[in-house]
Amino acid sequence: EDQVTQSPEALRLQEGESSSLNCSYTVSGLRGLFWYRQDPGKGPEFLFTLYSAGEEKEKERLKATLTKKESFLHITAPKPEDSATYLCAVQANSGYALNFGKGTSLLVT
Amino acid sequence: DAGITQSPRYKITETGRQVTLMCHQTWSHSYMFWYRQDLGHGLRLIYYSAAADITDKGEVPDGYVVSRSKTENFPLTLESATRSQTSVYFCASRGLAGYFEQFFGPGTRLTVL
Repeated sequence: EDQVTQSPEALRLQEGESSSLNCSYTVSGLRGLFWYRQDPGKGPEFLFTLYSAGEEKEKERLKATLTKKESFLHITAPKPEDSATYLCAVQANSGYALNFGKGTSLLVT
Repeated sequence: DAGITQSPRYKITETGRQVTLMCHQTWSHSYMFWYRQDLGHGLRLIYYSAAADITDKGEVPDGYVVSRSKTENFPLTLESATRSQTSVYFCASRGLAGYFEQFFGPGTRLTVL
């Protein structure tokens, strides 16, 4: 059974304090790993797709990386507007659904 | 407006009533999905559709019915609402091939009293 575990559940950072969010996964054949940002009261907003181990994607202060067992979302010099819940999801080769983790709630002050 | 929209955004209903949540997308995406989001569970797939008139169950389909007569619309019906169906419901869509990311609507917050 596909599983996605995100850690930590919550993270508080000072503005400018870089850190990483973790997404560990088990899936029977990875089609893609996805990162989303979700603000309170809104739908998930797509950030990145990673398809194979070693792949990296960047967008502004965010950088996502992928290994065979986990993905990291690195946040460099975060600003208060980066505060949100970050969701990780995987899609297996055999299906259509995204299997989501429970998310990491990030607060930047 | 382009994109994916959901209506209503908020709904309060009573146990046993039928409720339909609407989802509309303007991208002509083939795939559409319904998820529910609950504290402690994250997002879970209810139903999905690969094209008009093609639907299939997800992880938590019991108590829900879907239809897809047109590519752009994917309504979700709760035939007899229960309190356990109180949740936030998200619709999503995805193109046919190439890229697999799903794009989400703004959500419908449903409360069943």
